[in-house]
Amino acid sequence: AQSVAQPEDQVNVAEGNPLTVKCTYSVSGNPYLFWYVQYPNRGLQFLLKYITGDNLVKGSYGFEAEFNKSQTSFHLKKPSALVSDSALYFCAVRDEMDSSYKLIFGSGTRLLVRP
Amino acid sequence: GAGVSQSPRYKVAKRGRDVALRCDSISGHVTLYWYRQTLGQGSEVLTYSQSDAQRDKSGRPSGRFSAERPEKSVSTLKIQRTEQGDSAVYLCASATRIRSRGSYEQYFGPGTRLTVT
Repeated sequence: AQSVAQPEDQVNVAEGNPLTVKCTYSVSGNPYLFWYVQYPNRGLQFLLKYITGDNLVKGSYGFEAEFNKSQTSFHLKKPSALVSDSALYFCAVRDEMDSSYKLIFGSGTRLLVRP
Repeated sequence: GAGVSQSPRYKVAKRGRDVALRCDSISGHVTLYWYRQTLGQGSEVLTYSQSDAQRDKSGRPSGRFSAERPEKSVSTLKIQRTEQGDSAVYLCASATRIRSRGSYEQYFGPGTRLTVT
């Protein structure tokens, strides 16, 4: 069965420090992995995705994520956090074997960047 | 339109009543998904439909949830006999294949927050 785990409900980091939001997944076939961000009263906004190729994926707003097949992880990272990065972050996976193309989401991690 | 829109943005319903939530997707997009988002529990797909038919491929939970596609770019999620556990944010996503990028992408609406009292 497909599943995504985000083990941290909240991540706190000081502005200017690096941040990491963790995500692990489980799928039957090869994974297609995504990160979305959600600001208050807004829909999910796409940040980045991994389909194939380089394990380090760069996305919007300076975010990047590293695909690690052996650890089945896809952690979101940013070298220097901004207060405006404070939001809810969702990791999602799509199984290449799933013909519906639906996304399976993690429970979300709230990122709080303090000034 | 520029993106996916949903209405209403907020809905309060008494337990046992039926509700209908609307999604206006992006013109030309083939597939439309309905997800239910519960804080701390993530999101689960409820149903999805493809424009070649008004098929409702129901996910979990089944039975009380159904989707209709009266027009190719409009979907209505119907929830029958609402329960308090149905209180959540309902997200609509419009999807299409981007051939130039070889990818399949979903675009999300802002969601409808349903509160069942």
